[in-house]
Amino acid sequence: SQTIHQWPATLVQPVGSPLSLECTVEGTSNPNLYWYRQAAGRGLQLLFYSIGIDQISSEVPQNLSASRPQDRQFILSSKKLLLSDSGFYLCAWSAHSGKSYEQYFGPGTRLTVT
Amino acid sequence: GDSVTQMEGPVTLSEEAFLTINCTYTATGYPSLFWYVQYPGEGLQLLLKATKADDKGSNKGFEATYRKETTSFHLEKGSVQVSDSAVYFCALSDRTDSWGKLQFGAGTQVVVTP
Repeated sequence: SQTIHQWPATLVQPVGSPLSLECTVEGTSNPNLYWYRQAAGRGLQLLFYSIGIDQISSEVPQNLSASRPQDRQFILSSKKLLLSDSGFYLCAWSAHSGKSYEQYFGPGTRLTVT
Repeated sequence: GDSVTQMEGPVTLSEEAFLTINCTYTATGYPSLFWYVQYPGEGLQLLLKATKADDKGSNKGFEATYRKETTSFHLEKGSVQVSDSAVYFCALSDRTDSWGKLQFGAGTQVVVTP
């Protein structure tokens, strides 16, 4: 069966510090991968999506970036965090092809920027 | 573009009450429809899905029917439990979108009291 992992689970970082969040998927190959952010009490904001290595698109321009160094690894980064980067970051995967493209989510990373 | 509208919360009800969460969508094609549930501090879990008109998705006592004529996918449960307290998200995917992106509603918080 497929599983998706995210780490760290929680992170407290000062403004201006760098960020690296990691997501890995097991049990499937060539998945579509997604990064979302959820601010407190708010809905989901799609940040990045990828259909393969070196095929990453950004939904919202900001000081975050994403990379996919391996087929089942997706990394969210920032060189300098802002207070507004605080939130709950969710990684998700879906099958690369199929009828319905349902996404499966990881447990999330709670980021607090101080 | 495609969009999803769901009723605002919070929805507060007593244990064993009937739950309905309204969801309507706008789509140019023939989307697949989903309900996700998010328990406090966790990622989203796929609750149920429907891929074509008149399909009924069901899981854990929850049901939703894909109504093309009313562009709706309302979530229902006949007798809620305290453990059903969560945020529920309606979502759609466009099967012609090879990136597999989902459009989410804003989420509806459900609070079930004993």
